[in-house]
Amino acid sequence: SQTIHQWPATLVQPVGSPLSLECTVEGTSNPNLYWYRQAAGRGLQLLFYSVGIGQISSEVPQNLSASRPQDRQFILSSKKLLLSDSGFYLCAWRWGLNTEAFFGQGTRLTVV
Amino acid sequence: KQEVTQIPAALSVPEGENLVLNCSFTDSAIYNLQWFRQDPGKGLTSLLLIQSSQREQTSGRLNASLDKSSGRSTLYIAASQPGDSATYLCAVSKPGSARQLTFGSGTQLTVLP
Repeated sequence: SQTIHQWPATLVQPVGSPLSLECTVEGTSNPNLYWYRQAAGRGLQLLFYSVGIGQISSEVPQNLSASRPQDRQFILSSKKLLLSDSGFYLCAWRWGLNTEAFFGQGTRLTVV
Repeated sequence: KQEVTQIPAALSVPEGENLVLNCSFTDSAIYNLQWFRQDPGKGLTSLLLIQSSQREQTSGRLNASLDKSSGRSTLYIAASQPGDSATYLCAVSKPGSARQLTFGSGTQLTVLP
């Protein structure tokens, strides 16, 4: 069976510090991978998606970047965090456009 | 642009009641619609996926229907239990922008014992 891991679960970082959130999927190959952000009281906003190694698409301009160094690894990064980067970050995967999506347990990021 | 709306934003019911959660979307050209459950501070758990060619899907006490022509889906929960308390989100996947799921803002359900 497939599983998705996301870490860390919580993170408190000062403004201006770097960020690295990691997501890995097990039990599948060549998944479509996604990073979403969920702000308090708001819906999920797609940040990045990837259909393969090294292939990253960005949905919104922002202070964040993503990378996919391996088939089942997706990393969300920032060089300098802003207060507005605080939120709940969720990684997700699915095989294709017409298939079920599965989410990780999320990372609660607080920028102070 | 696809928009997804969930009404009501919050719902409180006594244990044992049957209930319906609503989801509407503006563009009927979708691949599928998926219902999720989110517990506080946790990730999303997939409940049901309905393909555009399907009318409904069932899993245990849950039944989801899809009326693509009217842009509506409902999630029916039978014999609700306190453990069903959570936020329920619907999301659609459509051609063109089908790399992503477009989410509603969710319905926060509280089942009172």
